[in-house]
Amino acid sequence: EVKLVESGGTLMQPDESLRLSCVASGFDVSYDYMSWVRQAPGKGLEWVSILYGGDKTHFAYYADSVRGRFTISRDNSKNSLYLQIDRLRVEDTALYYCARSSYDIRLGYYFALWGQGTLVTVSS
Amino acid sequence: TVVTQEPSFSVSPGGTVTLTCGLKSDSVSNSHYASWYQQTPGQRPRTLIYNTKSRSPGVPDRFSGFILGNKAALTITGAQADDECDYYCALYMGNGIVLFGGGTKLTV
Repeated sequence: EVKLVESGGTLMQPDESLRLSCVASGFDVSYDYMSWVRQAPGKGLEWVSILYGGDKTHFAYYADSVRGRFTISRDNSKNSLYLQIDRLRVEDTALYYCARSSYDIRLGYYFALWGQGTLVTVSS
Repeated sequence: TVVTQEPSFSVSPGGTVTLTCGLKSDSVSNSHYASWYQQTPGQRPRTLIYNTKSRSPGVPDRFSGFILGNKAALTITGAQADDECDYYCALYMGNGIVLFGGGTKLTV
């Protein structure tokens, strides 16, 4: 079965750091484009970051709201994607989704497969 | 919000509704590779449409995507009760960046 399972979300205080994990099954994350998308409680979806796959695995991009504090990475040996979040802010409170993505000029740029999400709450 | 969607929309059961996805200061074209996602409360998003008009596997042909004037659009025909949920569009802005619209809450 092709699926994504996120973990690592918890209650944190402002300025702390946290790493979210996403384990993939049924496909190889080393070749795929992988993203994080978040959703604040009662709000809409917000793209956070993309890590390229294929022969561009060193390319990563971030939303303006998180650049400089978030770092996306992957561990091919564990078939996993990660999101390191530093200097947490109250506004980072959200459900964080891992998504298998397509970034292809022929097929388009979209999120094809979603995990169930992991909740990060930032509060003092 | 750079990507604009109607905050809410209502359709009668069996009816047809078109949701739109625009840009505040530009026209949406095929080069924005519009995608559409459906989300019911408490559930993960479901991908409906990608690359403006391609349906994801398993998505019924009641859902169709296209460019309508200067916006991307999602039409739902034969609206059903379980179509009542939130719909999000996303546009590729270049340089690896994708932006979501604020979402449309559809009432059937």
